[in-house]
Amino acid sequence: DAGITQSPRYKITETGRQVTLMCHQTWSHSYMFWYRQDLGHGLRLIYYSAAADITDKGEVPDGYVVSRSKTENFPLTLESATRSQTSVYFCASSEPRLEQYFGPGTRLTVT
Amino acid sequence: DQQVKQNSPSLSVQEGRISILNCDYTNSMFDYFLWYKKYPAEGPTFLISISSIKDKNEDGRFTVFLNKSAKHLSLHIVPSQPGDSAVYFCAAQEPNDMRFGAGTRLTVKP
Repeated sequence: DAGITQSPRYKITETGRQVTLMCHQTWSHSYMFWYRQDLGHGLRLIYYSAAADITDKGEVPDGYVVSRSKTENFPLTLESATRSQTSVYFCASSEPRLEQYFGPGTRLTVT
Repeated sequence: DQQVKQNSPSLSVQEGRISILNCDYTNSMFDYFLWYKKYPAEGPTFLISISSIKDKNEDGRFTVFLNKSAKHLSLHIVPSQPGDSAVYFCAAQEPNDMRFGAGTRLTVKP
């Protein structure tokens, strides 16, 4: 299927566990992004990547790790999950300076 | 430090009337502005954008206005339809940063 997909769609994990959220896009967009959406904050940028092997911090990077070995994949890892990381996570992709295309989101609950 | 603010969490309008959603920003380096629409359990979808060199951009029922001196942009939807009911996010962009507002929930009543 063309587009941008995220997996899993829902995840419950315990405090201290490592969890990885997957993102895959089929457009070959150079840019990919990870956001979290929390009530009252809208969408906040966690990390972004301008190309394979190039990543950079966004507004709220602490506690997260990303990698981009292939253009189409941009996984987000929470190395030791905390309750404050309970959120809805959105992945997006775009060409430089153009509108972003968002995935359907992953709802993560940390207990 | 919210660089992009949507001060109205919600807005309710009657079908056929105009909906006006507002957004303010503080960073004068932002040079590209976008509006996204989000339905429940879905990712945001792009609606309309405007470059800082323009003050208006129109696409069908949707028009975005930009007032750079006031650091303010607005989205006008005319006429509003029940299917427009969603959360609307404004976003502001500079070369190495993208910021979103907290969103405004629009309800269009039949």
